Amino acid sequence: KQEVTQIPAALSVPEGENLVLNCSFTDSAIYNLQWFRQDPGKGLTSLLLIQSSQREQTSGRLNASLDKSSGRSTLYIAASQPGDSATYLCAVRPNYGQNFVFGPGTRLSVLP
Amino acid sequence: GAGVSQSPRYKVAKRGQDVALRCDPISGHVSLFWYQQALGQGPEFLTYFQNEAQLDKSGLPSDRFFAERPEGSVSTLKIQRTQQEDSAVYLCASSLEAGRAYEQYFGPGTRLTVT
Repeated sequence: KQEVTQIPAALSVPEGENLVLNCSFTDSAIYNLQWFRQDPGKGLTSLLLIQSSQREQTSGRLNASLDKSSGRSTLYIAASQPGDSATYLCAVRPNYGQNFVFGPGTRLSVLP
Repeated sequence: GAGVSQSPRYKVAKRGQDVALRCDPISGHVSLFWYQQALGQGPEFLTYFQNEAQLDKSGLPSDRFFAERPEGSVSTLKIQRTQQEDSAVYLCASSLEAGRAYEQYFGPGTRLTVT
């Protein structure tokens, strides 16, 4: 059974810092991996989608990498801003089935 | 355009009551998913529809949980005889087509509190 973990569970940084969020998964047989952002009381917003054949994806200040063989992904946020404060969820889509398997999330606070 | 909407946004139920949660997917989206998110946890898969067909219900935690999508658009998740452990946010997501390549779009969720 696929299991996804995220480290750290919570992170607090001053504005302007670069930071890395980590995601690990137990079964490397994945179709793709996606990073989401969740704001309190709101749904999930897709940030980056990495297909299993890709190594990384970039969007603005965000960069996500994927090492499928080792079961790891990282989300790099450059020059963090208070508006980046949210919970960041990593989700993998196994080769079987249609649904995502989510990690527990990392709660990020960026202090002004 | 309109995204995925869910209603009600908040629901308080007394233990033992039945509840019905509604999901309006993006118009024309074939696939619809329900997830359950406990406090401080990531979402967990409940069930999946392709049009009106429920193709996977392996995540439903008990036979008190029932989902339907009779016309292939709006979906309802019903929980009978609610228990305190059912308290969670219930998220609905839809995607344009079947297949893992398609992005899922999530609604804001319904927060269910069972007292």
